[in-house]
Amino acid sequence: KQEVTQIPAALSVPEGENLVLNCSFTDSAIYNLQWFRQDPGKGLTSLLLIQSSQREQTSGRLNASLDKSSGRSTLYIAASQPGDSATYLCAVVSINTGANSKLTFGKGITLSVRP
Amino acid sequence: NAGVMQNPRHLVRRRGQEARLRCSPMKGHSHVYWYRQLPEEGLKFMVYLQKENIIDESGMPKERFSAEFPKEGPSILRIQQVVRGDSAAYFCASSPQTSSSYEQYFGPGTRLTVT
Repeated sequence: KQEVTQIPAALSVPEGENLVLNCSFTDSAIYNLQWFRQDPGKGLTSLLLIQSSQREQTSGRLNASLDKSSGRSTLYIAASQPGDSATYLCAVVSINTGANSKLTFGKGITLSVRP
Repeated sequence: NAGVMQNPRHLVRRRGQEARLRCSPMKGHSHVYWYRQLPEEGLKFMVYLQKENIIDESGMPKERFSAEFPKEGPSILRIQQVVRGDSAAYFCASSPQTSSSYEQYFGPGTRLTVT
């Protein structure tokens, strides 16, 4: 059974700092990994999707990497801003559940960027 | 292209009543997923449907919960005889029938409160 872990549960940093959010998963047989952002009381916004054959994806100040063999992914946020404050969720689609199938989520990391 | 639509956005029900949550996938998407986010917990998969078929309902509670995705119209998640423990945010996601990325796109969610 796939399990996704995100530690720590919360993180507070000063504005301008570069930071890394970690995600680990127990079963390396995955189709893809997605990073999402969730603002309080809101839905999920997809940030980056990494296919199992890829090592990283970039969008603006965000860079996500994937090390499938070790079951790890990181989301790098450059030059953090107060507007980056949100909960960041990591999720995977596992091979043993079929390609077009369910996402298994971590519990998320709540990020607070202090002005 | 409108995103995934869910309604209502907020729903209040008394214990014992029925709750009906609706999800309209993105245009051209024939796969629908339902997830539940309980307070202080991560998102959990409930059910995966294609038009007129339930593909995977391994995350659905055995009683009181049902889902459908008819040939015409939105997908419906129905909760009968609601209890306080059903209070949660319910998210719908959709994906296209053919996709090399298997990316899921999420709606804004329906926040169910049972009083």
